[in-house]
Amino acid sequence: SQKIEQNSEALNIQEGKTATLTCNYTNYSPAYLQWYRQDPGRGPVFLLLIRENEKEKRKERLKVTFDTTLKQSLFHITASQPADSATYLCALDRYSSASKIIFGSGTRLSIRP
Amino acid sequence: ETGVTQSPTHLIKTRGQQVTLRCSSQSGHNTVSWYQQALGQGPQFIFQYYREEENGRGNFPPRFSGLQFPNYSSELNVNALELDDSALYLCASSLFGENTEAFFGQGTRLTVV
Repeated sequence: SQKIEQNSEALNIQEGKTATLTCNYTNYSPAYLQWYRQDPGRGPVFLLLIRENEKEKRKERLKVTFDTTLKQSLFHITASQPADSATYLCALDRYSSASKIIFGSGTRLSIRP
Repeated sequence: ETGVTQSPTHLIKTRGQQVTLRCSSQSGHNTVSWYQQALGQGPQFIFQYYREEENGRGNFPPRFSGLQFPNYSSELNVNALELDDSALYLCASSLFGENTEAFFGQGTRLTVV
């Protein structure tokens, strides 16, 4: 079955620096890969979706890359701010008639002032 | 806010009891998925409903069941509650078919004692 691994340790970086989070998967290549943000006690909030034929996607200070050869996605937050502190979840979906999103366990990111 | 609402927000039940959790999906969405999220883990897919029928199920026992209504709202029922069922239960609505983002509710925190 598909397995997803994200940075196992929490990430703690200085405000203004670029945060880079890693998502590795095994088994089949997903048709889509998504990143979500989750704050404590809240549901995940969608950030970005990247398709298997796309190498890179950007949205404001966010950038996602997708390398199907390495089976890896990188998620970057540039000019990080304390408000970016949250858990970030990588999620995969392989489109089918019963598509479902499979989540990684998340990486907790802390941005210190 | 995503437009997906869940009720109740918190619930305490005794082992062996039954529980029903409710979800109102975002306007225009025809698919509802339910997830269980244990502390420190990513959401785990329980099942998905489309056109009032179960359309895909994760690795959860039959005592986890659901319903989807004509207005696309949904219920998650769990019978014979066990202590390990304590978790945040998340509902996500989306459009069926080609992958699009999922919109999550704020979740129901279930504690089984």
